[in-house]
Amino acid sequence: DTEVTQTPKHLVMGMTNKKSLKCEQHMGHRAMYWYKQKAKKPPELMFVYSYEKLSINESVPSRFSPECPNSSLLNLHLHALQPEDSALYLCASSQEIVGTAYTRELFFGEGSRLTVL
Amino acid sequence: GENVEQHPSTLSVQEGDSAVIKCTYSDSASNYFPWYKQELGKRPQLIIDIRSNVGEKKDQRIAVTLNKTAKHFSLHITETQPEDSAVYFCAALDDSGAGSYQLTFGKGTKLSVIP
Repeated sequence: DTEVTQTPKHLVMGMTNKKSLKCEQHMGHRAMYWYKQKAKKPPELMFVYSYEKLSINESVPSRFSPECPNSSLLNLHLHALQPEDSALYLCASSQEIVGTAYTRELFFGEGSRLTVL
Repeated sequence: GENVEQHPSTLSVQEGDSAVIKCTYSDSASNYFPWYKQELGKRPQLIIDIRSNVGEKKDQRIAVTLNKTAKHFSLHITETQPEDSAVYFCAALDDSGAGSYQLTFGKGTKLSVIP
């Protein structure tokens, strides 16, 4: 299984809603990532978890709250979002945190396309 | 921090021709350079990568060259096919242990292969 699975594929929410994006991988990877991608732009790193601990938080607003319940799951909790937060949210995983000698390849999920009204 | 410039932003080629995409980077400590392909509505996928102790790497119709002195690297696709149409992102990383473990992506090149 070389898949990173994300749900939901599409999400429409109002600015007062609370929702969550979910990500799952069963490749035994110990690093998981959230990226945000706007149309025609490269992915922007939001958060990195390594061994279920938050390693990197790229100054993301607190209305985005990551959670890593176990080594296979990664959630992104959304609350009080703004229309400019509408984007494709990509989850990714790697064997170890990218940058170590053991691994470099990121495996991306298909993404959750979020629209904030 | 690292800055990666990618050119061109769009590229159209006839099927069977070659395509070349170029990237420059700013941080001389960067030593790992992957290329990701993202088809429309799909996830980015690694297609080839190169480390700084290697000048060129090939995988079938795809090759990557690296000039560390000039701080630039390029993706070469030969005998292009319609299924090569996608957005291609270059990236750079310092994986020596002193870096931030972040891939810095270029802005992307939209490649269109015309049948």
